[in-house]
Amino acid sequence: DQQVKQNSPSLSVQEGRISILNCDYTNSMFDYFLWYKKYPAEGPTFLISISSIKDKNEDGRFTVFLNKSAKHLSLHIVPSQPGDSAVYFCAASVRSGNTPLVFGKGTRLSVIA
Amino acid sequence: ETGVTQTPRHLVMGMTNKKSLKCEQHLGHNAMYWYKQSAKKPLELMFVYSLEERVENNSVPSRFSPECPNSSHLFLHLHTLQPEDSALYLCASSQDQVRAVNEQFFGPGTRLTVL
Repeated sequence: DQQVKQNSPSLSVQEGRISILNCDYTNSMFDYFLWYKKYPAEGPTFLISISSIKDKNEDGRFTVFLNKSAKHLSLHIVPSQPGDSAVYFCAASVRSGNTPLVFGKGTRLSVIA
Repeated sequence: ETGVTQTPRHLVMGMTNKKSLKCEQHLGHNAMYWYKQSAKKPLELMFVYSLEERVENNSVPSRFSPECPNSSHLFLHLHTLQPEDSALYLCASSQDQVRAVNEQFFGPGTRLTVL
């Protein structure tokens, strides 16, 4: 049973518009969430994270929103750029339990110029 | 070299072969990880080493054998694999396992094909 779900395998967005990537989780014990970005032929790289004590974290063009009651988080990229085209992985963990990260399947974002 | 490196980048092997994947991190980290990424599946954690001791083994078949001779190097020894083991194998490291959730640094991966 997948604990972290990214239900959209792919997403296409026009350059300059907003990209919204979604992630749902089932384990209510998760208290730390991360987004990773992966280009072809490279390993995933850390993008942004959020603790469950917050509902929003912003870093430049990237903002992550957390809705604990819905067990849902989303990554917003504004404005989207062609260089943002990549696979985005959502990951979650129980920080206090020292548990490994649990990853979603990823969403492939294509930003069209 | 900086970051996390993996060799080889691509590997094709038969089911009776023995091969090894190598990972090296130049970040001074104490924890290292092996992940498997299959098509249309989430990243699957295979092994975790903290200070050169294995601390997690997620029910991985014995045909995969990890080795961590020191905190900078991690190997994955492969023996009598199956075609379904074909995948991208990613190595990662973090400062230590306690703070592993903060950030893991990944290598570029080894694309393995088992014929």
